Formats: sequence, C-alpha cells, structure tokens
Amino acid sequence: SQQGEEDPQALSIQEGENATMNCSYKTSINNLQWYRQNSGRGLVHLILIRSNEREKHSGRLRVTLDTSKKSSSLLITASRAADTASYFCAAFQGGKLIFGQGTELSVKP
Amino acid sequence: DAEITQSPRHKITETGRQVTLACHQTWNHNNMFWYRQDLGHGLRLIHYSYGVQDTNKGEVSDGYSVSRSNTEDLPLTLESAASSQTSVYFCASSALAGVNTGELFFGEGSRLTVL
Repeated sequence: SQQGEEDPQALSIQEGENATMNCSYKTSINNLQWYRQNSGRGLVHLILIRSNEREKHSGRLRVTLDTSKKSSSLLITASRAADTASYFCAAFQGGKLIFGQGTELSVKP
Repeated sequence: DAEITQSPRHKITETGRQVTLACHQTWNHNNMFWYRQDLGHGLRLIHYSYGVQDTNKGEVSDGYSVSRSNTEDLPLTLESAASSQTSVYFCASSALAGVNTGELFFGEGSRLTVL
C-alpha cells in the first residue's frame, strides 16, 4: 500500500501541553500536507511543506520534513481543548495524493 | 463564498442497488477527487478527475465509477452496492494538480450504509 503511516494512532494530553504527530511513507516525498478533521466533518487543510523546506510554522503549528527519511512531523504547541480532532498527513505518491491513516488527538481541559 | 457540497449526507440502501453520490463545487477547480474513509484505513482514493471528460482510477476503484461532464460536478456511482462499500465518502477539489497539488477543499461527507 502507498498509504502513509502515522504515529501515534491516538494521543491524549492535557490542555497546555504540546502534541507531536509523525508521518512516514515508503517512497520519496515531494510536497507534504497536513489536514485536520473534526468529528463528523470534512477535512480542513492546515499547512503544506515543500520538498525544499525543512521546517515551517503557522501559528501554534510547526511542521518538519525529512525527505531522506521520507517522514514529517506536526507539532501543536500549547494545545487547547478545541484542538481535539483527527490529523492526517498527505503526500503526492505515484501520481496521486495519498493520505496517512491519521492520529486521533484528544486534549483534555 | 465558494464551496463544495455533497448529497445526500446520509443514505441507507440494499445490496445490489445502484447508488449515486453527488458532488458539486463552485470553486471552478479542474481537479476533483473521491475518497472513502473507514476505521483503520484512513482515507483511500477511489477516482479522480483533472478536467471535463477526464477520469482516473484510484487505489480502490473496483465497483465504483465517475463521470465528468462539466467543471462543477463529479458524481460517484456504485453500480451494484455491496456491504463492503458501507463507508463515509468524501469529495474534494483542488486548483492545482500533479506533483504540485496544493490544498484540497473537502465536502462534509456522505455516510452510506449498505444492508
């Protein structure tokens, strides 16, 4: 399967803590994206990191990309209860945008 | 505001029936995609289109078909519904395609149950 592997599958933290999610693929990565999905809703784009970038920030989000390891990480700093959602990475693979299996984040107040 | 809408949002059907899920976008995007989401599998690509009259198979296309007669719509048809096709289906569109595929805009999903 070309699907990305995400780790951990589920993560539970307290408000104010940082949350880190990882994503890896079996084949080379060009641009990589991260999406968020609230329960029962569609996915919403968070951030895109290009293959020539190693790190990118957007508000409380920090994304890294290691093309040699075919992996990326998403860090959410100072988490809030409203960050509770599933997070997916997506990379262009074999002519198609392929999503990871997702990390379910629960932030407890 | 531009948007992407799916209908119906919920549908229950019987095995063997033909089902069509509608997807309509007002972004004027050339690129449209259908994914299914199942527990333990994340999102898997079913079919996609890079423009009018263009359709392509994704990872899990067996039992599904699409047609693209205009820019706005990409209906997904299940020719003969099977219980294995019980899932949540998401339509998405994007302005860019190929290796430069940028942000995908997703609909709210269609939950299909095949009994």
